[in-house]
Amino acid sequence: SAVISQKPSRDICQRGTSLTIQCQVDSQVTMMFWYRQQPGQSLTLIATANQGSEATYESGFVIDKFPISRPNLTFSTLTVSNMSPEDSSIYLCSANGQGNTEAFFGQGTRLTVV
Amino acid sequence: GENVEQHPSTLSVQEGDSAVIKCTYSDSASNYFPWYKQELGKRPQLIIDIRSNVGEKKDQRIAVTLNKTAKHFSLHITETQPEDSAVYFCAASSGDSSYKLIFGSGTRLLVRP
Repeated sequence: SAVISQKPSRDICQRGTSLTIQCQVDSQVTMMFWYRQQPGQSLTLIATANQGSEATYESGFVIDKFPISRPNLTFSTLTVSNMSPEDSSIYLCSANGQGNTEAFFGQGTRLTVV
Repeated sequence: GENVEQHPSTLSVQEGDSAVIKCTYSDSASNYFPWYKQELGKRPQLIIDIRSNVGEKKDQRIAVTLNKTAKHFSLHITETQPEDSAVYFCAASSGDSSYKLIFGSGTRLLVRP
């Protein structure tokens, strides 16, 4: 299994600012993903973080709002830009283990925008 | 794209009883179906998964069944215990080479002691 560390674990931010969330995996992985989970809700896929190329975004999510970096096979960042209270949520990083199927999750970043 | 529906949204059972959670998916090309357990304030944890070439898989008190023809799969928990109380999510792989998971809406399971 892959061990995934995310930071920060939580933050309170002013509207209009940006926050960058970091995700570090303890081993090289092919696939990394970013999800959003609003309180009491399911996980919604934001994008696939591709190493060496632009992220692949799901419907309803755009690069200008959620820029993603993936500089190598163990690290990715998600930035939440120009935040509004509607961006308050938990953001989760995940990575697939061996065989590219089993997905493991970071502990999440609880973001509150005021 | 893939769409996963999950029910019930809440399930309350007596300790020792069985619990069943059901999911349906839309993309017939999907080939991997994991189940995650999420306790309050914690990350989702993989508890069992099944691939499309298998009809059933069991791990102690937990089992998953898959009906590819009907495009549905189910989680079965037997002899439930209070520590089974959590939110359970089913998911399906997209079926293409991206390996991304699409999640169901979740089931809040409460096991009453």
